[in-house]
Amino acid sequence: AQSVTQLGSHVSVSEGALVLLRCNYSSSVPPYLFWYVQYPNQGLQLLLKYTSAATLVKGINGFEAEFKKSETSFHLTKPSAHMSDAAEYFCAVRTGTASKLTFGTGTRLQVTL
Amino acid sequence: KAGVTQTPRYLIKTRGQQVTLSCSPISGHRSVSWYQQTPGQGLQFLFEYFSETQRNKGNFPGRFSGRQFSNSRSEMNVSTLELGDSALYLCASSTGLAGVMPSYNEQFFGPGTRLTVL
Repeated sequence: AQSVTQLGSHVSVSEGALVLLRCNYSSSVPPYLFWYVQYPNQGLQLLLKYTSAATLVKGINGFEAEFKKSETSFHLTKPSAHMSDAAEYFCAVRTGTASKLTFGTGTRLQVTL
Repeated sequence: KAGVTQTPRYLIKTRGQQVTLSCSPISGHRSVSWYQQTPGQGLQFLFEYFSETQRNKGNFPGRFSGRQFSNSRSEMNVSTLELGDSALYLCASSTGLAGVMPSYNEQFFGPGTRLTVL
């Protein structure tokens, strides 16, 4: 069975500071990993995905994530936070070609002036 | 290309009633998955339909059911509503093609239906 763990349910950063949201996965087979963002009263939007083509994945809105097999991690980063980045972020894992996604518990990102 | 649409966006029901939620996937997508999102349990997979057949099922009681029509539109039904069924129900569509690289099975989410059970 696969799972993901997101460390930190709430993260607060200053505008312009580095954003680091942590995700560790557990999977018995090569995983496919995703980061989604959810703004209030909205659905989930895909930020980026790892599908084994490259370990450093660039996504939308300046976000990127690095797949580290040795650490079973897929942390999300952004060099400089913007107020519009305030949202909830979910890490998710999928194996094989099945559509089912298993989500982490989410991290709420707060960006302060 | 139009995105995933869900109707209604908000719904209020009382305990014991039943409810039907609707999801229209992106044109050309044949897979529809449903997720329940609650503050306590987070995002949990309910089931997936592909070509009118349930292909995958999560760990929910039989009160939760779904179906898919020939045009790929999907409905989910919850019978005998309980207070704990209050949640945001999200629908996601994808091509759903088996044996294809996962990138082609990227899921696109709708805005959700907020169900409140009183």
